[in-house]
Amino acid sequence: AQSVTQLDSQVPVFEEAPVELRCNYSSSVSVYLFWYVQYPNQGLQLLLKYLSGSTLVKGINGFEAEFNKSQTSFHLRKPSVHISDTAEYFCAVTPNYGGSQGNLIFGKGTKLSVKP
Amino acid sequence: DAGITQSPRYKITETGRQVTLMCHQTWSHSYMFWYRQDLGHGLRLIYYSAAADITDKGEVPDGYVVSRSKTENFPLTLESATRSQTSVYFCASLRGWGSNTGELFFGEGSRLTVL
Repeated sequence: AQSVTQLDSQVPVFEEAPVELRCNYSSSVSVYLFWYVQYPNQGLQLLLKYLSGSTLVKGINGFEAEFNKSQTSFHLRKPSVHISDTAEYFCAVTPNYGGSQGNLIFGKGTKLSVKP
Repeated sequence: DAGITQSPRYKITETGRQVTLMCHQTWSHSYMFWYRQDLGHGLRLIYYSAAADITDKGEVPDGYVVSRSKTENFPLTLESATRSQTSVYFCASLRGWGSNTGELFFGEGSRLTVL
């Protein structure tokens, strides 16, 4: 079975500052990893994903994440945040074998609050 | 417009009543999912469907029923609503199931309050 731990439930940060949202996972098999973002009163949308290849993954809105297999982590980073980045961010994992078919296991979310 | 739509967006009901949340997608994605979102729990999978007439339980299926007679529709029914089912419900469909890309497309959610 897989599990996801998002180490911070809330992260306040000032505009134009860098931010890192931490995600650790547990799995006995190889996995695919994802970050989703949820803006207020909306559904989730995909920010970025790691399937294979380069461990540094770039996503939309200037976000990037690095897959670290030895530390079982997939931290999300942005060098300079904007007010519009205020949202809740979810890390998710799914086994990378056929049959899992998108049954993502989500972390509990990290609320990013960007202050002027 | 192509997309995934949920209805109703907001619903207040009473304990013991039956409630059905509707989900419709226009992409013809094979896989569809129902999640509930609660404070402190994140998103938890209720049921999913691999195709029309094929459904399976997720993490928290008790008290819920699903059906999928057509690819584009995936309704979720609470047969006898309880207060613990007060939540925000999200429907999602999966793009690229063959390559298992895991890219889910979510509806805007249905906020259900059970009094």
